[in-house]
Amino acid sequence: DAGVIQSPRHEVTEMGQEVTLRCKPISGHNSLFWYRQTMMRGLELLIYFNNNVPIDDSGMPEDRFSAKMPNASFSTLKIQPSEPRDSAVYFCASSPESGSPLHFGNGTRLTVT
Amino acid sequence: KQEVTQIPAALSVPEGENLVLNCSFTDSAIYNLQWFRQDPGKGLTSLLLIQSSQREQTSGRLNASLDKSSGRSTLYIAASQPGDSATYLCAVPPGGTSYGKLTFGQGTILTVHP
Repeated sequence: DAGVIQSPRHEVTEMGQEVTLRCKPISGHNSLFWYRQTMMRGLELLIYFNNNVPIDDSGMPEDRFSAKMPNASFSTLKIQPSEPRDSAVYFCASSPESGSPLHFGNGTRLTVT
Repeated sequence: KQEVTQIPAALSVPEGENLVLNCSFTDSAIYNLQWFRQDPGKGLTSLLLIQSSQREQTSGRLNASLDKSSGRSTLYIAASQPGDSATYLCAVPPGGTSYGKLTFGQGTILTVHP
């Protein structure tokens, strides 16, 4: 079991550029979550998928953020255009079913200058 | 809206000490509570998950308790070791649900020195 795999590990980009973060959940897990972690706000859920369908995107900050899950083994989180306040660590997590422990990836550290 | 508070924010202890980390939450209608560990530059590792019907869970030197009525959980670490140094976070799902829209506390930064 390779765990949840995220790429890239680090991303540095300029304001206004498009950023795409990638996630491969653990095989067999049917729930996938995107979280964002900052010093000021801690960990916040951005969006939650179940069986590849977005269930709750109420945490997505604004229209600049979008997430997709085209199949059970891949998800993307896109920010377009990026802004300095988007700088944070973005985590992807998966779980086999509702109420089970979440398994987190190592995160993508995004810096927008 | 669920709010989760962890006390203390930071804790430094000598190796071998037993210690307790505290977590409190405002909405007691939770299905479960999870304790996580986060090492610098890493993701979160789930340590223990306590269902609302349980009062405690144990894994090795870790013991987590849950008191729903008072909105509190504690994580007890026995015979602490330098390798236990990390940030410990507790998290709960929305009241009345079990799905992973977790609300996290701000964490307790634990340092165990030799």
